[in-house]
Amino acid sequence: EPEVTQTPSHQVTQMGQEVILRCVPISNHLYFYWYRQILGQKVEFLVSFYNNEISEKSEIFDDQFSVERPDGSNFTLKIRSTKLEDSAMYFCASRTSANTDTQYFGPGTRLTVL
Amino acid sequence: QKEVEQDPGPLSVPEGAIVSLNCTYSNSAFQYFMWYRQYSRKGPELLMYTYSSGNKEDGRFTAQVDKSSKYISLFIRDSQPSDSATYLCAMRLTGGGNKLTFGTGTQLKVEL
Repeated sequence: EPEVTQTPSHQVTQMGQEVILRCVPISNHLYFYWYRQILGQKVEFLVSFYNNEISEKSEIFDDQFSVERPDGSNFTLKIRSTKLEDSAMYFCASRTSANTDTQYFGPGTRLTVL
Repeated sequence: QKEVEQDPGPLSVPEGAIVSLNCTYSNSAFQYFMWYRQYSRKGPELLMYTYSSGNKEDGRFTAQVDKSSKYISLFIRDSQPSDSATYLCAMRLTGGGNKLTFGTGTQLKVEL
């Protein structure tokens, strides 16, 4: 069964450093998402991406964040200058173009900012 | 008032019990309702997906949506230790970017 994959599984970085989290969505999916989950808290929406542009973003997704689909298979989340409070699990999700379809999540990248 | 409320538990039941998990929500515009299962430090795994009000059954799982009460439920019959996980309700509007709004999750433990 096709699935969303994410790399790395765990990323440790120093405060102020840039990180890039990578995702490979399911191949026939056209909508892509990033969510995050701070330890012990709920899963929160960050951004949705369709047709090579952001379709919606949350207040969390400020100028420090950016997303890109650099080729036909990868979807990346970049955090330009990490803060301690960026430590969280980051989940990528994808879905088909059918409005009735739901989102399928990857296993997540645990980001630890020291 | 939070957009989606879910009792965080933990909920502990004996093997074979019927489990009832619930969420309430405040935005009457939500049309699609989902239940995800999340094991510790893993991604959410889709369990059930329903549109608008009504019931949906899949094996030991039944999802119910009552839009008039803004209340959704997930029932697990004949619960197994392997059902021990955190159960997240999620919902979304129709159209747009289709972002999901999640509850906090209910931690379930099924004991032998």
